[in-house]
Amino acid sequence: ETGVTQSPTHLIKTRGQQVTLRCSSQSGHNTVSWYQQALGQGPQFIFQYYREEENGRGNFPPRFSGLQFPNYSSELNVNALELDDSALYLCASRATGALGYTFGSGTRLTVV
Amino acid sequence: DAKTTQPPSMDCAEGRAANLPCNHSTISGNEYVYWYRQIHSQGPQYIIHGLKNNETNEMASLIITEDRKSSTLILPHATLRDTAVYYCIVRASNAGNNRKLIWGLGTSLAVNP
Repeated sequence: ETGVTQSPTHLIKTRGQQVTLRCSSQSGHNTVSWYQQALGQGPQFIFQYYREEENGRGNFPPRFSGLQFPNYSSELNVNALELDDSALYLCASRATGALGYTFGSGTRLTVV
Repeated sequence: DAKTTQPPSMDCAEGRAANLPCNHSTISGNEYVYWYRQIHSQGPQYIIHGLKNNETNEMASLIITEDRKSSTLILPHATLRDTAVYYCIVRASNAGNNRKLIWGLGTSLAVNP
């Protein structure tokens, strides 16, 4: 068990729709990051939250947004889905001072 | 863009040491070298990290050259379960907006029986 749980594991949406992906982190993991991983590529940083505030963002458009909640859960929202949004979405969290991030197993999003 | 370069693939015999190289010639003084691995269909897993001294933990050893421009991850006795994509990443340790991990394509390690 990794301590980071993502839901759903797989999802199929239609172009133009909106999607919400969820992540539940371990207690005390006050930093959470979201990544997008296309097939055969390394993960690409979307954004990071620390204590419910966004404190870092990658090169993703504003239709990618997120929230972090006091109970160490978080969400990634994507509006106006495009075919290129099809990817594995990874949530990673860590406690202050931890050696590395703990990743979930991801949500596989397919946009058709 | 990733600040590291790694060979795209490597093979290793089961039970032998796997030595995975990484070049990071533009590394800054405050940047650590991190290694993660990703087994097929799973999320990445943290392995080890270091600044300039060699590091060892229960999973692996990390050897960083004196000029810090390259490093090697060593899996001392590779098993079939070590078959994965291994990513070498450099990341600043200080606070601020430079928090993201920038991933390259990694090295796909195949451990063969």
